[in-house]
Amino acid sequence: KNQVEQSPQSLIILEGKNCTLQCNYTVSPFSNLRWYKQDTGRGPVSLTIMTFSENTKSNGRYTATLDADTKQSSLHITASQLSDSASYICVVSASSGTYKYIFGTGTRLKVLA
Amino acid sequence: SQTIHQWPATLVQPVGSPLSLECTVEGTSNPNLYWYRQAAGRGLQLLFYSVGIGQISSEVPQNLSASRPQDRQFILSSKKLLLSDSGFYLCAWSVGTGNTIYFGEGSWLTVV
Repeated sequence: KNQVEQSPQSLIILEGKNCTLQCNYTVSPFSNLRWYKQDTGRGPVSLTIMTFSENTKSNGRYTATLDADTKQSSLHITASQLSDSASYICVVSASSGTYKYIFGTGTRLKVLA
Repeated sequence: SQTIHQWPATLVQPVGSPLSLECTVEGTSNPNLYWYRQAAGRGLQLLFYSVGIGQISSEVPQNLSASRPQDRQFILSSKKLLLSDSGFYLCAWSVGTGNTIYFGEGSWLTVV
């Protein structure tokens, strides 16, 4: 069964600190993996996309990693800001006939001043 | 550039009443269209997706239905709402396969 699991469920950090969010998946055949940021009450917005051959990709203070062998990805946020408070969702795409996106339940990040 | 519009943004409906949420995409042709639901504190649940006009696939049996009367228009409907239909509904689009999925701003539905 295709699944995406994220940890931790929630996280509280102080402004300026770094943090790392985890995503483990069992999706086959794997196509790509994306991290989305969802502000409360808003639609998710794509942060990064990673294909099978990519190990690291950065988008400003966000750096995503992918280990296709262990089927794990991480999202590292550097020098956190109050505006980083949001849910971060890992989405894995499976390419098996009908195209599908498998969503994790997200990590809720709260950055405190 | 491509944009997605979804409305209404918020609505409160009594149990047993009908529902219609509408979504339109601009700036692209023949998009894949999706309806998702997100219960409070939960992940996104795919309800329907469409790869073309009149082509609707349902992922979860429920009292909701979807229609795609035009290439870039996607409508989510219900004849009689249940309390369990409350949630945050998101319309989304993508093109081709393996590409980024873009979300609308969402519609908050509260069934009372």
